[in-house]
Amino acid sequence: EAQVTQNPRYLITVTGKKLTVTCSQNMNHEYMSWYRQDPGLGLRQIYYSMNVEVTDKGDVPEGYKVSRKEKRNFPLILESPSPNQTSLYFCASSQNGQGGWGYTFGSGTRLTVV
Amino acid sequence: AQTVTQSQPEMSVQEAETVTLSCTYDTSESDYYLFWYKQPPSRQMILVIRQEAYKQQNATENRFSVNFQKAAKSFSLKISDSQLGDAAMYFCAYRSPYGGATNKLIFGTGTLLAVQP
Repeated sequence: EAQVTQNPRYLITVTGKKLTVTCSQNMNHEYMSWYRQDPGLGLRQIYYSMNVEVTDKGDVPEGYKVSRKEKRNFPLILESPSPNQTSLYFCASSQNGQGGWGYTFGSGTRLTVV
Repeated sequence: AQTVTQSQPEMSVQEAETVTLSCTYDTSESDYYLFWYKQPPSRQMILVIRQEAYKQQNATENRFSVNFQKAAKSFSLKISDSQLGDAAMYFCAYRSPYGGATNKLIFGTGTLLAVQP
């Protein structure tokens, strides 16, 4: 089954404790992206990657890191989480290049930073 | 930069009735793609319908259809014969067609749809 697998589904952590949210896709997609969803703000892009070792900032990258060492994996790293990073996070993947493909989304990670 | 606006934070519809969710967008591009995504309480993002800007014909998927008005930059979603399972947050989204760094989906703020039995 074509899917984006994102873990964990729920995570509660304390301020300053480094964490990683994993994301993996099995569709051989070149393009992968992280979004955060906040009430009244919709989904905003954090980082994206167009291929292995090619990443770039989205609209709200502060406080986040990513890496793309393999095509299928695109982890999101919070080196020193703060309460304002409490949010719902989505990983997504897509075909790259011209065309209007929609995204395939992971099931989301609800992160709470206390 | 492109923007997407959903002016209805919440909507309600009676079961079996029809409801229309509004979406407007701003862009200087002539070609682009528009989407409606559904997010039920399970949080999963589900693609409902997709419209290509160069196609004048409105997209339709079973009970879901769109009213695409390119000149007005409007892209509304009509849900016919509403069912309890249609209750969800609905997001409108825009995407440039050129790929690369413009692959980003730009989302509106969402409309929460309640379906009353």
